[in-house]
Amino acid sequence: AQTVTQSQPEMSVQEAETVTLSCTYDTSESDYYLFWYKQPPSRQMILVIRQEAYKQQNATENRFSVNFQKAAKSFSLKISDSQLGDAAMYFCAYRINQGGSEKLVFGKGTKLTVNP
Amino acid sequence: DTEVTQTPKHLVMGMTNKKSLKCEQHMGHRAMYWYKQKAKKPPELMFVYSYEKLSINESVPSRFSPECPNSSLLNLHLHALQPEDSALYLCASSQRGDRGAGNTIYFGEGSWLTVV
Repeated sequence: AQTVTQSQPEMSVQEAETVTLSCTYDTSESDYYLFWYKQPPSRQMILVIRQEAYKQQNATENRFSVNFQKAAKSFSLKISDSQLGDAAMYFCAYRINQGGSEKLVFGKGTKLTVNP
Repeated sequence: DTEVTQTPKHLVMGMTNKKSLKCEQHMGHRAMYWYKQKAKKPPELMFVYSYEKLSINESVPSRFSPECPNSSLLNLHLHALQPEDSALYLCASSQRGDRGAGNTIYFGEGSWLTVV
């Protein structure tokens, strides 16, 4: 069974500093997709970044980047120059196939606090 | 424009009531999803519609009844709910939902449901 593990229930970072959130996953598939979503107190799930497993290059989106280690099944998120607005719950997610359709499986989340 | 609109944002209903949650997207997406999220937990998939056909039902109780009238609309009909059904209900959509698509799933802001 595919699982997603986020081992850090909570993390904190000083404003303008860098923080890394960890995520590992388990899969027997060779081609798949990984995502990081952010959920602020407003509760809307916002896509932060996406990684295709067949791409060796790590995805980046402005201050957000990933360290994708396919062999180790690791997919960590690095947030540079942290801002107060980055405070949120961050979910790592893996897209799996089921019954001819696809769905997201989420990790339990990491609550990120940004200190001024 | 990646927008999924959900109404109502808040709903309080009694256990004998019948109500509906509505979701709309105008991005031309052909897959739509309902997720349920309890406090401090990740979202859990309930249903997936792909090309207006129900493709995944995650063994959801029959008191939840999904409906996809057309490719832009998704409803969740609620009847005889229990207090433990109180949660945030998230609608989402993606360009396609079929195997191998790997498309990004975009979420709405959610509907807060309280069952009294």
